[in-house]
Amino acid sequence: AQSVTQPDIHITVSEGASLELRCNYSYGATPYLFWYVQSPGQGLQLLLKYFSGDTLVQGIKGFEAEFKRSQSSFNLRKPSVHWSDAAEYFCAVWGGGNKLTFGTGTQLKVEL
Amino acid sequence: NAGVTQTPKFRVLKTGQSMTLLCAQDMNHEYMYWYRQDPGMGLRLIHYSVGEGTTAKGEVPDGYNVSRLKKQNFLLGLESAAPSQTSVYFCASSYSSGSEQYFGPGTRLTVT
Repeated sequence: AQSVTQPDIHITVSEGASLELRCNYSYGATPYLFWYVQSPGQGLQLLLKYFSGDTLVQGIKGFEAEFKRSQSSFNLRKPSVHWSDAAEYFCAVWGGGNKLTFGTGTQLKVEL
Repeated sequence: NAGVTQTPKFRVLKTGQSMTLLCAQDMNHEYMYWYRQDPGMGLRLIHYSVGEGTTAKGEVPDGYNVSRLKKQNFLLGLESAAPSQTSVYFCASSYSSGSEQYFGPGTRLTVT
């Protein structure tokens, strides 16, 4: 069965600093991978997705993520964080079937 | 397009009461999902549907029932609410099982 681990529950960064949120997955083959963002009181919005091909994917709001098969990772990055990026971020994996498996989320706080 | 909408946004129930949450999507998606979100647990799949007239159990189906009588609507019912069902409920839809899921804004349910 597929699973997703987001090792960091909370992360605090200063505005303008770079950001990396970690995501590790467990699945026998190459899964489809997603990053979603959830602002307070809102639903989830897709930031980016990886299905195949180029392992560096670009998303909305200046985010990117890199798929590393050897490390079973799909880390989310942003070169310069804005105060409006404060939110909760979820990594998700689809390995076939009808189920998308979500990680437990990383809460990002941005210090001004 | 409204995307995915959920009704109501907030609800307070007493233990033993029943209620129905309504999800509607206008994207002609085949797949629809109900999740619950609890602190530190990410999103957990309650039930899902792969098309009009079909439903299937997810990870945490106990205490919930669903119906998909029309393609655009997916109803989640609680027959006898319990305090353990206090949560935020999200509906989502997708074109296929591995494609991006679009989320509604959520329903915050409190059972006292």
